[in-house]
Amino acid sequence: DSGVTQTPKHLITATGQRVTLRCSPRSGDLSVYWYQQSLDQGLQFLIQYYNGEERAKGNILERFSAQQFPDLHSELNLSSLELGDSALYFCASSVIWGQGYNEQFFGPGTRLTVL
Amino acid sequence: AQTVTQSQPEMSVQEAETVTLSCTYDTSESDYYLFWYKQPPSRQMILVIRQEAYKQQNATENRFSVNFQKAAKSFSLKISDSQLGDAAMYFCACFNYGQNFVFGPGTRLSVLP
Repeated sequence: DSGVTQTPKHLITATGQRVTLRCSPRSGDLSVYWYQQSLDQGLQFLIQYYNGEERAKGNILERFSAQQFPDLHSELNLSSLELGDSALYFCASSVIWGQGYNEQFFGPGTRLTVL
Repeated sequence: AQTVTQSQPEMSVQEAETVTLSCTYDTSESDYYLFWYKQPPSRQMILVIRQEAYKQQNATENRFSVNFQKAAKSFSLKISDSQLGDAAMYFCACFNYGQNFVFGPGTRLSVLP
């Protein structure tokens, strides 16, 4: 158990819909990262937040957005869903961004299926 | 842009034998970190081993060790005394403050009894 929690575990929805994925980082971790893993592929970095502020953006679609709240939990919002958005979405957290070694601790992931 | 390449989509090893997974990376940064992550069928991402680029000594964690060749930008993972539980996808990753984390495409490792 990494200490990072993600809800829900599974999500099935239809094309055109909007969903919200939630992540709670490990206690004390200020940084949250979101990744997308499509079937049998590597992880694609989507976005990173540090202490409530966006720090880095990767291959995140305009239909996707995220935020980190004052209690440091984060939400990833996916809208106008398409079949190709079906994937495993990981959240990871780390202690500090930009200083020294940053080990990322991964949550169990949310499996999104778009029908 | 930072890239990570794993040229072996699939590998197999006999139980108790040794296997080496390859990884090459490209970064313009002088300060970076390299990682190997394991993803078993449960899909949980598990950190196997990490290496700081400024350290010349190769990292070792029990049966797992790396061969870090900085000049060649190579970071291979050696698994000794392979066990059935080692069967998983293995991802090589590179982190630096400018590019964040970049993962390779993965190598699927099968362990044969």
